[in-house]
Amino acid sequence: DAKTTQPTSMDCAEGRAANLPCNHSTISGNEYVYWYRQIHSQGPQYIIHGLKNNETNEMASLIITEDRKSSTLILPHATLRDTAVYYCIVSPYNNNDMRFGAGTRLTVKP
Amino acid sequence: SAVISQKPSRDICQRGTSLTIQCQVDSQVTMMFWYRQQPGQSLTLIATANQGSEATYESGFVIDKFPISRPNLTFSTLTVSNMSPEDSSIYLCSATSGFYNEQFFGPGTRLTVL
Repeated sequence: DAKTTQPTSMDCAEGRAANLPCNHSTISGNEYVYWYRQIHSQGPQYIIHGLKNNETNEMASLIITEDRKSSTLILPHATLRDTAVYYCIVSPYNNNDMRFGAGTRLTVKP
Repeated sequence: SAVISQKPSRDICQRGTSLTIQCQVDSQVTMMFWYRQQPGQSLTLIATANQGSEATYESGFVIDKFPISRPNLTFSTLTVSNMSPEDSSIYLCSATSGFYNEQFFGPGTRLTVL
């Protein structure tokens, strides 16, 4: 079973920041927070991951609370191509136990 | 990053038959996985494909129904045996690679069983 809770769906205006929350209150000390997204009819795509510090890459930023019980994925300037289902997953670093929850369906609107 | 391809991309099969799905990675990887994604649902891990040994199956999945091979570090197959309409799903292969050990996914095989 997935160890995360995410809203079922969210909308975002094109060009605005999309902030996707995730609760993982039972996260263990050795577990990382991973984010993936799945665009329609494609395989999931890795976005970013983190342990306890905030992380940023060319796709997104990840903000993890100090108690590590929740996190937020930020797409700074959402485009129509960012419309997808976004999955938040907690997993050990060896990453061989990925449990996908239902994810958040993000719709970016013109 | 690893590039993963799958064959076939889609198939329509008759109940009672079997289909073997191939997964090819463009580089050697340690871990390979098979997932199922039923219509409108999230991904469910079927098994970890171990090189040189039997696959490790998740609860609810058995070797007789989903035999898996992993002959080397770049290739794996999943067979869906004695298919029924309930097996209609997208089957995805993945592998861990890269500096951060992230999982990369293939495009999936869309299976329809009539």
